[in-house]
Amino acid sequence: GQNIDQPTEMTATEGAIVQINCTYQTSGFNGLFWYQQHAGEAPTFLSYNVLDGLEEKGRFSSFLSRSKGYSYLLLKELQMKDSASYLCAVNAGNNRKLIWGLGTSLAVNP
Amino acid sequence: DVKVTQSSRYLVKRTGEKVFLECVQDMDHENMFWYRQDPGLGLRLIYFSYDVKMKEKGDIPEGYSVSREKKERFSLILESASTNQTSMYLCASSGSSYGYTFGSGTRLTVV
Repeated sequence: GQNIDQPTEMTATEGAIVQINCTYQTSGFNGLFWYQQHAGEAPTFLSYNVLDGLEEKGRFSSFLSRSKGYSYLLLKELQMKDSASYLCAVNAGNNRKLIWGLGTSLAVNP
Repeated sequence: DVKVTQSSRYLVKRTGEKVFLECVQDMDHENMFWYRQDPGLGLRLIYFSYDVKMKEKGDIPEGYSVSREKKERFSLILESASTNQTSMYLCASSGSSYGYTFGSGTRLTVV
């Protein structure tokens, strides 16, 4: 079967660093996405990894290890506006559908 | 600025009504999707389309149908709305990169 696991909830303090993990078991792999979703809004694209390693984009970085079926999203210098749900999604092959995790709800406290 | 536009942000409909949710994208994307999102259940795929007049069932197609007569427009139809179809409905599109762009969502309440 196809499965994506990520923690349900996390809390962190403003200004700190937080790492959100995602593990996947899929029949194939053609890329992993991270999306951010604020309450009541649509998901917005954060990052895309298809090769192993770290992709950095400002305060956000995403890491992928294909051999381990593992990714993480690293958020630095946390701000209150980073309080949101973070969704991990995998393209499991040449089809066009993404397989979605249930999301990690991050609360940033002052 | 590229966009996926959903026709309504909030809708309230009565049980048994036929409901149309419209989605339009201006990115010339081949692929379009309809999801519903409920607390604790994540994003669940209802239907998707990878070409005009083509459609495929997702994970929860029962009670829904879709129409794609033009490349830019993908419509979701609730044939006879029921209270268990109260949800947030999200439309998305994707092109060759397979990354999704989402519309702003329609929060549908069936009473």
